[in-house]
Amino acid sequence: DIMMTQSPLSVAVTPGESASISCRSSKSLLHSNGITYLSWYLQRPEKSPQLLIYQISNLASGVSGRFSGSGSGTDFTLKISRVETEDVGIYYCVQFLEVPLTFGSGTKLEIK
Amino acid sequence: EVQLVESGGGLVKPGSSLKLSCVASGFTFSSYGMHWIRQAPKKGLEWIALIYYDSSNKYYADSVKGRFTISRDNSKNTLYLEMNSLRSEDTAMYYCAKSLGARPDYWGQGVMVTVSS
Repeated sequence: DIMMTQSPLSVAVTPGESASISCRSSKSLLHSNGITYLSWYLQRPEKSPQLLIYQISNLASGVSGRFSGSGSGTDFTLKISRVETEDVGIYYCVQFLEVPLTFGSGTKLEIK
Repeated sequence: EVQLVESGGGLVKPGSSLKLSCVASGFTFSSYGMHWIRQAPKKGLEWIALIYYDSSNKYYADSVKGRFTISRDNSKNTLYLEMNSLRSEDTAMYYCAKSLGARPDYWGQGVMVTVSS
């Protein structure tokens, strides 16, 4: 199985500042078709996860432009610019290159 | 608007069975694969099963293989998860999710399953 390692475990951010979350996979997520099978999700408190970013850097429909993704191969980063209170929750990366799909352990974002 | 509504959860004893349902609307259900993903209390997300749009392929996590069965009825826009030989470690919120190129896309609100004596 592909292992997904997220860091940090939690991050506390002052509103208006930025936050970055790292995700590393134990195997390259780049398929021979040129697509990288990596997505980011946000799970707000007591809610189901919602898709934020797919294929490293593509913003899902309706997602704020304050979210951006970068990386390649096995190393990926989610950046949240100008953090707002509504960004509070747990962020997960997931690989869907292979089954079983595997998720990172999650990064909890809190507001200072 | 895509909607996924899970049902069928509850409190059951170890060793018993339960069948979850997920009713889909707002998209052409018969054209998309579907996932089941669960989350134990205070824990992270665990993928457990995927079914292709036409039921031609089904995949399972090792933790549920042989005990759980994913199925669908495209005429009813409904996804199912039949769970047998339930264990305490199966206690979790169960989500169904629409699959887009294997990527979980839209998620339901979840249904709670508690396995306890």
